[in-house]
Amino acid sequence: DQQVKQNSPSLSVQEGRISILNCDYTNSMFDYFLWYKKYPAEGPTFLISISSIKDKNEDGRFTVFLNKSAKHLSLHIVPSQPGDSAVYFCAASPLTQGGSEKLVFGKGTKLTVNP
Amino acid sequence: NAGVMQNPRHLVRRRGQEARLRCSPMKGHSHVYWYRQLPEEGLKFMVYLQKENIIDESGMPKERFSAEFPKEGPSILRIQQVVRGDSAAYFCASSRGHQETHGYTFGSGTRLTVV
Repeated sequence: DQQVKQNSPSLSVQEGRISILNCDYTNSMFDYFLWYKKYPAEGPTFLISISSIKDKNEDGRFTVFLNKSAKHLSLHIVPSQPGDSAVYFCAASPLTQGGSEKLVFGKGTKLTVNP
Repeated sequence: NAGVMQNPRHLVRRRGQEARLRCSPMKGHSHVYWYRQLPEEGLKFMVYLQKENIIDESGMPKERFSAEFPKEGPSILRIQQVVRGDSAAYFCASSRGHQETHGYTFGSGTRLTVV
């Protein structure tokens, strides 16, 4: 059973436009969410995160929105640049005191930004 | 300012051999996590270690897989008697501890191919 789902395996957008990547989760115990970006043959790189006490977090061109009631989060990239082309992974974790900090990842969405 | 170092980058093993994957965390990081990524899948948690202690190995297969993080030296993920299904990218990540604002730092991974 997949607890974190990224239903779009791929997304293609034009340079300068907005990219919206979506993620759904099923586990109500998740209360911390992260987005990672991954280039081929490299490890994932942390991009942005959000805790469940917020509904929005912004960092430059990247904004993450969280809708707890819908168990849905999205990553907005605006404006999109060709260098943003990569696989984006959504991940979730319960913020348990003293617990394991393991992350549950979605399968990823491959973003292609066309010049 | 080295990041998380994993070696080897690529490892080819015949069925039945042992695979040994190494991970040196970032300086100052005492928490290490191992994840596996099968083709077309997201990353799956395997094990979480602190120095000389296994904290959570709930994602590790019960047989043939073991991990350690000794007082001195890198963390080692050992796979005995490898089978074709063990072919995957194995990523190590490290952190200082409880993360509130940002995620782990991942290494570039070891790509294991079992022939």
